[in-house]
Amino acid sequence: KQEVTQIPAALSVPEGENLVLNCSFTDSAIYNLQWFRQDPGKGLTSLLLIQSSQREQTSGRLNASLDKSSGRSTLYIAASQPGDSATYLCAVRQGGSRQLTFGSGTQLTVLP
Amino acid sequence: ETGVTQTPRHLVMGMTNKKSLKCEQHLGHNAMYWYKQSAKKPLELMFVYSLEERVENNSVPSRFSPECPNSSHLFLHLHTLQPEDSALYLCASSQVAGGKNNEQFFGPGTRLTVL
Repeated sequence: KQEVTQIPAALSVPEGENLVLNCSFTDSAIYNLQWFRQDPGKGLTSLLLIQSSQREQTSGRLNASLDKSSGRSTLYIAASQPGDSATYLCAVRQGGSRQLTFGSGTQLTVLP
Repeated sequence: ETGVTQTPRHLVMGMTNKKSLKCEQHLGHNAMYWYKQSAKKPLELMFVYSLEERVENNSVPSRFSPECPNSSHLFLHLHTLQPEDSALYLCASSQVAGGKNNEQFFGPGTRLTVL
């Protein structure tokens, strides 16, 4: 059974810092990995989708990498801003499955 | 309306009530999903519909009853719920349910409180 772990559970940084969020998964036979952002009490916003054949994806100040063989992904946020404060979730889709398996998230606070 | 919408946004109900959650997607997708997000727990998939046919049911109690009348609409009918069913219920859609590129797009959720 696939398990997804996100470390750290919470992170607080001053504005302007570059930071890395980590996601690990136990079964490397995945189709893709998706990073989401969730604001308090709200739904999920898709940030980046990385296919299993890709190593990284970039969108603005966000860069996500995938090392499928070691079961790891990182989300790099450059020049963090207070508006980046949210919970960041990663989810993997297993090969042959329609289901996304989610991690518990990293709660990020960027201090002005 | 664009994207995925959900109504109501907040719902408080007693254990003997019957209510329904509604989800609508405006993306032309063929697959829709219900997820449950409880406090301090990862999101849990409840149901998957592909072309209006239920293709996955993740051992969800029968007090939750989904309905997908067409590819744009998804309902979750609730009856005789328990307080532990209080959670954020999220709807999502994707172009297809299978395949490698089924990026999922989520609605804002319905915050359900069962008294």
